[in-house]
Amino acid sequence: AQSVTQPDIHITVSEGASLELRCNYSYGATPYLFWYVQSPGQGLQLLLKYFSGDTLVQGIKGFEAEFKRSQSSFNLRKPSVHWSDAAEYFCAVGARGNTPLVFGKGTRLSVIA
Amino acid sequence: DAMVIQNPRYQVTQFGKPVTLSCSQTLNHNVMYWYQQKSSQAPKLLFHYYDKDFNNEADTPDNFQSRRPNTSFCFLDIRSPGLGDAAMYLCATSRDAPGGGTDTQYFGPGTRLTVL
Repeated sequence: AQSVTQPDIHITVSEGASLELRCNYSYGATPYLFWYVQSPGQGLQLLLKYFSGDTLVQGIKGFEAEFKRSQSSFNLRKPSVHWSDAAEYFCAVGARGNTPLVFGKGTRLSVIA
Repeated sequence: DAMVIQNPRYQVTQFGKPVTLSCSQTLNHNVMYWYQQKSSQAPKLLFHYYDKDFNNEADTPDNFQSRRPNTSFCFLDIRSPGLGDAAMYLCATSRDAPGGGTDTQYFGPGTRLTVL
């Protein structure tokens, strides 16, 4: 069965600083990988996804993520964080076949001036 | 714009009083999901419909039921809400991905359920 680990429960960064959120997955084959963002009281918005091909994936709002099979990781990055990026970030893994996504527990991002 | 709509956004009910949450989609996706999300936790899948086929997660309480009368609509019924059922309920949709499996899930804004 698939599983997702987001090791960091809460991260605080300064506005303008770079950001990396970690995600490790467990799955026997090539997974489908997703990053979602959730602002307080809102639903989840897709930031980016990886299905196959280029391992560096560009998403919305200036985010990118890199799939590293050897490390079973799909870390999310942003070169310069804005205050509006403060939110909860969820990594998720899917699989071929009719299997729903498995979500990590999320990383809460705080942005300070 | 194609989207996932949830109504109401906020629902207050009394302990034990049945409540129904609604989800509709204009994406024409064949898969629809209901998640429960408690504060500071990841979404927890309750069940999903693959076309008309209902798939219940093993640990979803019997208190939770779902209906999907057509492709566009899906309902979550909580027959006798308890205090522990207070949460955000998220609806999501997806379609079959090329090569098998399900494609990206698109989420609605959620319904915040309060149980008094």
